[in-house]
Order: sequence, then C-alpha cells, then structure tokens
Amino acid sequence: KQEVTQIPAALSVPEGENLVLNCSFTDSAIYNLQWFRQDPGKGLTSLLLIQSSQREQTSGRLNASLDKSSGRSTLYIAASQPGDSATYLCAVIIGDYKLSFGAGTTVTVRA
Amino acid sequence: EAGVAQSPRYKIIEKRQSVAFWCNPISGHATLYWYQQILGQGPKLLIQFQNNGVVDDSQLPKDRFSAERLKGVDSTLKIQPAKLEDSAVYLCASSLEPTGALTGELFFGEGSRLTVL
Repeated sequence: KQEVTQIPAALSVPEGENLVLNCSFTDSAIYNLQWFRQDPGKGLTSLLLIQSSQREQTSGRLNASLDKSSGRSTLYIAASQPGDSATYLCAVIIGDYKLSFGAGTTVTVRA
Repeated sequence: EAGVAQSPRYKIIEKRQSVAFWCNPISGHATLYWYQQILGQGPKLLIQFQNNGVVDDSQLPKDRFSAERLKGVDSTLKIQPAKLEDSAVYLCASSLEPTGALTGELFFGEGSRLTVL
C-alpha cells in the first residue's frame, strides 16, 4: 500500500525566505506526483504536476523536483509572501489512477 | 466556467442523526469523486462514479454511508447514522474522464464541513 508522508507538518517563515517542502512515498511505481494548495475552508487547487519520467517542473516562483528511485519530491517556493500561507499537499497517482495524498504541510509566512 | 459546487458548506449534527451533502460537477464531467478529509489528514477517496455507475467504493463505510448519481450529473452523499469520527470535510471533485488525475485535470469543490457532536 502506498504511503505518502510530508514533514514537517507545519512551518513558519519570515517574508522573503525561500520555502522547502518535502514529500516522500513508499512505492516508486507511480504515474505522476502532484502538488496542491489548500486555503482554509477551501478546496484543493493544483499547483504543479510532475510526470514520472520528469525530474522537475516549474511555474513562476514554484519549482518541484521528483526523485522516483528514492521516493522523494520537494516543492520550492522562492521569495515567500504572506499570500503563500496555506496548506500544501502532495499526492501520487498509482496504478488504478487514484490519488494517494499526504497529510500536508501548513505554511505561515510572517509579514 | 463554473466550478464544482457543493452544499451545504457547513453542517452540525448530533451523533446518530443523518446528513446529506450535494455536489454538482463541472458541466460535461463524466467522472465524480467524493473524498473525506479528516482534520490533519490528506483526503481519502470514498467513492468514484463514472456517469451514473460506481467505479470504486472500496473505502466507503457502506453500513452508514451511501452515495448516488442517478442522472449522471449531480450527486448526493448520505451518512446515516452519523458517528463522532465522521467529523470531516467532504470534498467533491470531478474530471472529464477517469484518467483526469493523470493529466492534472481533476477539479475540487470547496467542501462541506461536518461536525458531529
């Protein structure tokens, strides 16, 4: 059974600092990995999707890397802003096209 | 384009009562999902529909949870009787095809928050 872990569960940084969020998964037989953002009381918004054949994906200040062999992904957010405060979840797609989610990392960016 | 609509947004009930949640997916989306997100955890898939048929309900507690999508459009999720551990956010998502998650084309509603006292 696929297990997805995100550590730390929460972190707080001052504005302008770069954010590094970690995701690990136990089964490397994934189709892709996706990072989502969840604001309080809201649904999930997709940020980045990395196919299993890719090593990284970038969108603006966001960069996500994927190392399938070690079962790890990292989401980098450059020059954090208070508007980046949210919970970030990673999810992997496994053989039955189902999303298997981590518990998320709750980020607070202090102004 | 309208997103995935869910109602009610919030519901508070006593244990052993019943509750129903409604979801209207994005127009034209054939695949509809219900997820349960307990506080501090990631979403867990409860049931997946393809049009009006069930594709996967392996994690649905069928002794108390039921879901239907009779006309292949909107869907309802019912809990009867509710337990304390059912307190969670119930997220509905939709995609054009069952492989929507592969391409990142899976869209979530804002969720229905249930508190069971």
